[in-house]
Amino acid sequence: AQRVTQPEKLLSVFKGAPVELKCNYSYSGSPELFWYVQYSRQRLQLLLRHISRESIKGFTADLNKGETSFHLKKPFAQEEDSAMYYCALLTQGGSEKLVFGKGTKLTVNP
Amino acid sequence: EAGVAQSPRYKIIEKRQSVAFWCNPISGHATLYWYQQILGQGPKLLIQFQNNGVVDDSQLPKDRFSAERLKGVDSTLKIQPAKLEDSAVYLCASSFSRGNIQYFGAGTRLSVL
Repeated sequence: AQRVTQPEKLLSVFKGAPVELKCNYSYSGSPELFWYVQYSRQRLQLLLRHISRESIKGFTADLNKGETSFHLKKPFAQEEDSAMYYCALLTQGGSEKLVFGKGTKLTVNP
Repeated sequence: EAGVAQSPRYKIIEKRQSVAFWCNPISGHATLYWYQQILGQGPKLLIQFQNNGVVDDSQLPKDRFSAERLKGVDSTLKIQPAKLEDSAVYLCASSFSRGNIQYFGAGTRLSVL
């Protein structure tokens, strides 16, 4: 069965510090992974997807199939990065659907 | 472009009552999704439509939940009768087609007392 695990419910860092939000997945097929973000009082929105291999707002994420991980990283956190972050897996074949982790709340302190 | 619209934003009902949520997807998006997000959890897919047909409703509690997407545009999700454990945020999302990026609405926060 497909599963996404985000081991940290809460993560707190200081402005300018590096940040890493962990995501591990379990899926028998070829994974397609996403990071979604929800800022305070805003709707859930896509941050990045692994097939794009791009950096958004300074964030990057690399798919590691050997470790079944898709950790989100940023070298220098900003206060505006404070938000809920959800890792999600897109299942393939039949109904392509997103399976979400439980989310990590990131707080960047001044 | 206009985003996914949902209404109402908030709803408070008593258990055993019925409730309905409405969603209007982004224009031209063929695929529409309803998710349930319980406090402290990630969104969980309830039902997925492709145009006006159901693609996946495997996680929809069909004894009390129903959804339709007449004419392949907007959609309604209904709960009848509601239970306390249905308290959650109900999110609607749409995508151009299956497997494409999903865009989310602001959600409807349901409280069942």
